Amino acid sequence: EPEVTQTPSHQVTQMGQEVILRCVPISNHLYFYWYRQILGQKVEFLVSFYNNEISEKSEIFDDQFSVERPDGSNFTLKIRSTKLEDSAMYFCASRETTGGAGEQFFGPGTRLTVL
Amino acid sequence: DAKTTQPNSMESNEEEPVHLPCNHSTISGTDYIHWYRQLPSQGPEYVIHGLTSNVNNRMASLAIAEDRKSSTLILHRATLRDAAVYYCIPGTDKLIFGTGTRLQVFP
Repeated sequence: EPEVTQTPSHQVTQMGQEVILRCVPISNHLYFYWYRQILGQKVEFLVSFYNNEISEKSEIFDDQFSVERPDGSNFTLKIRSTKLEDSAMYFCASRETTGGAGEQFFGPGTRLTVL
Repeated sequence: DAKTTQPNSMESNEEEPVHLPCNHSTISGTDYIHWYRQLPSQGPEYVIHGLTSNVNNRMASLAIAEDRKSSTLILHRATLRDAAVYYCIPGTDKLIFGTGTRLQVFP
């Protein structure tokens, strides 16, 4: 069964450093998403991406964040200068169907720890 | 974004049916009703979605009220693996997760 994969599973970084979280969505999917979940809190939407551009982003997704689909298979989330409060589980998701609904397939997540 | 109200927690015994309610009285006419769940230490997992009519799939059934202001996720026979947090999410694209219902399943 096809699945979304994410690397690394755990990333530890120093405050102020740049990190890139990588995701490989399911191959025929068209819509891509990043979410995050701070320990013990709700899953929060960060950004959606379609047709090589951002469709929508939340207030969390400020100038420190960027997304890219560099080669037609990977989907990356970059945090330019990490803060302590960026420590969280980051989930990538993808969806196949056009229109407003359809199953989002989530990856297993990358745990980001900012020291 | 539509607001949702779900019980904080529910309990069930294995092999029994479970009805998980959700109120979404501010849902817009174009919003679908999605249900996802999150097992411990895992990413969210799709369960089911619908617009107006009741829906069934291999995991669950979704009963949608006629006025669409509420819905109920039905697990026909709970298993230990169904212990998770269940989220009801109205919307069309991005998923806005609330706090969900934590379902405990006892053997």
